[in-house]
Amino acid sequence: DAKTTQPPSMDCAEGRAANLPCNHSTISGNEYVYWYRQIHSQGPQYIIHGLKNNETNEMASLIITEDRKSSTLILPHATLRDTAVYYCIVLGGTSYGKLTFGQGTILTVHP
Amino acid sequence: NAGVTQTPKFRILKIGQSMTLQCTQDMNHNYMYWYRQDPGMGLKLIYYSVGAGITDKGEVPNGYNVSRSTTEDFPLRLELAAPSQTSVYFCASSYIARSDSSYEQYFGPGTRLTVT
Repeated sequence: DAKTTQPPSMDCAEGRAANLPCNHSTISGNEYVYWYRQIHSQGPQYIIHGLKNNETNEMASLIITEDRKSSTLILPHATLRDTAVYYCIVLGGTSYGKLTFGQGTILTVHP
Repeated sequence: NAGVTQTPKFRILKIGQSMTLQCTQDMNHNYMYWYRQDPGMGLKLIYYSVGAGITDKGEVPNGYNVSRSTTEDFPLRLELAAPSQTSVYFCASSYIARSDSSYEQYFGPGTRLTVT
């Protein structure tokens, strides 16, 4: 599975959009981009995934560049409860869902 | 649905003791996983299972054993506890979405283990 690169930390004001970038320049054609987050040592929580089209659900939006080498997770109206470590993970369909976690991005939402 | 449940929540072991971490899911998921997370680090895969009776090693399997006799349960066994196994252990389960063959993993709350 392709490796990902994320900034170690980001800040965001409450109520503003949080845009979390992820670089995955070695991604292959059948690999998906997944985002998970972990709030203060709880179990990680699935947020969203995509292959090549932009995706949106009740939690977030995922924007994948046309060449698929990078993506951005968007939390449209960040709240204090969104303070967490966000992990971008690339995963292929034949991987049995085994997740490889990097260091992730620590997002801090300020009042 | 209770989702993924883990017991115990906390445990302190002496070096050389053994214990079993329990994991149960009620979502009828075929895939189950055990991860460990050391302080300040991301999760690492210990073992995984693609169905009852089928298990395989992950990235850090040494010192652990698993079994999968039912779809619901996936216990993790530590035979001879060592200080290096002090960690938080997370169990997870997932299914393959028919629409796009993707996976969405559901995690339990974790077991915090200290070996002294």
